[in-house]
Amino acid sequence: AQSVTQLGSHVSVSEGALVLLRCNYSSSVPPYLFWYVQYPNQGLQLLLKYTTGATLVKGINGFEAEFKKSETSFHLTKPSAHMSDAAEYFCAGFLSGGYNKLIFGAGTRLAVHP
Amino acid sequence: DAGVTQSPTHLIKTRGQQVTLRCSPKSGHDTVSWYQQALGQGPQFIFQYYEEEERQRGNFPDRFSGHQFPNYSSELNVNALLLGDSALYLCASSSRTETTYGYTFGSGTRLTVV
Repeated sequence: AQSVTQLGSHVSVSEGALVLLRCNYSSSVPPYLFWYVQYPNQGLQLLLKYTTGATLVKGINGFEAEFKKSETSFHLTKPSAHMSDAAEYFCAGFLSGGYNKLIFGAGTRLAVHP
Repeated sequence: DAGVTQSPTHLIKTRGQQVTLRCSPKSGHDTVSWYQQALGQGPQFIFQYYEEEERQRGNFPDRFSGHQFPNYSSELNVNALLLGDSALYLCASSSRTETTYGYTFGSGTRLTVV
């Protein structure tokens, strides 16, 4: 079945440290993949997306992600964490033909401490 | 350019009551999807509307129904409310001809059932 799995419901890093949030997918067709961020009591904001072409995609706020078909992964990284990065992060994808049902992972809560 | 607008932002209902949530899509978008996000979980797909018809539906009971109007705005109706319906309800809009852009989300309606 088509699905998105985020490894680690909580990740904690120090300010200035590398951020790595993991996402794996299961899809019957070439997927379109997205990372969204959610701040408390707010909706979802698009960080970046992969559709076709370059497998390393850059997004807002210094985040980037790499699509690896062989590993069915789309991990999100940021070289240096900032306190303002503390939020909930969701990986999502169009995983079946028609691109009309965006499927989400369970989310990873990122904490950044001084 | 206004994004996705949802109303109301918060509401409290009693078990057994009915509720209607409203969504205006981003300008230029013709498709509306509704998601339920329970506390601490990822958004779960409820259904999607395009050309005033329900095109896809997730695993939600018939108590959840919707409507799309000619101006592309949409309503989500929930009948016979249960305590478990308490959640953040997110509306997302998209364009059928621009699937690579993914969804644009509103800030959500926080529904509390008591």
